[in-house]
Amino acid sequence: AQSVTQLGSHVSVSEGALVLLRCNYSSSVPPYLFWYVQYPNQGLQLLLKYTSAATLVKGINGFEAEFKKSETSFHLTKPSAHMSDAAEYFCAVSVYGGATNKLIFGTGTLLAVQP
Amino acid sequence: DTGVSQNPRHKITKRGQNVTFRCDPISEHNRLYWYRQTLGQGPEFLTYFQNEAQLEKSRLLSDRFSAERPKGSFSTLEIQRTEQGDSAMYLCASSSKQGGAEKLFFGSGTQLSVL
Repeated sequence: AQSVTQLGSHVSVSEGALVLLRCNYSSSVPPYLFWYVQYPNQGLQLLLKYTSAATLVKGINGFEAEFKKSETSFHLTKPSAHMSDAAEYFCAVSVYGGATNKLIFGTGTLLAVQP
Repeated sequence: DTGVSQNPRHKITKRGQNVTFRCDPISEHNRLYWYRQTLGQGPEFLTYFQNEAQLEKSRLLSDRFSAERPKGSFSTLEIQRTEQGDSAMYLCASSSKQGGAEKLFFGSGTQLSVL
């Protein structure tokens, strides 16, 4: 079965510091991987996705993630945190089963950005 | 693109009552998903529609839950005889592209509290 594990339910960084949110996946087939962001009282928004075209994926708002098969990881990074990055971040893997592809989400990482 | 709209934003009900939520997807999207998100967890897949056909239901959906998508446009999710364990955020998402890398557009959700 496919799954994702997010290490660290809460991460706090200072404004301007590197953001690193960790995600490890488990999959018996080449996975499609995603990072979504959820701001308070809003729905989830896609940050970026990995579809096997390139291992380094660039997303919106300066975020990027690198697919590392040897480490089964897909960590999310941003060189310099902004206050507006404070939100909850979810890693997800796409699973095909039944009639459709479904997203299996991790438990989320709440990012706090300190001034 | 007006986005995915969900109503109501919040619903408070007493145990045993029935509730219904509505989702209006992006107009050209033929695929519609319902997810449930509880505190501290990522969203969990509930059910999927392609046009008006409900093609897949999760085992999470007990017989007290029913979803419809008449005419392949808006969708409703009804919960009968609500229980306290039904308290959660119910998220709707839509997409237009088939495939494992499809991008889901999420609504802001309906927060259900069962007293």
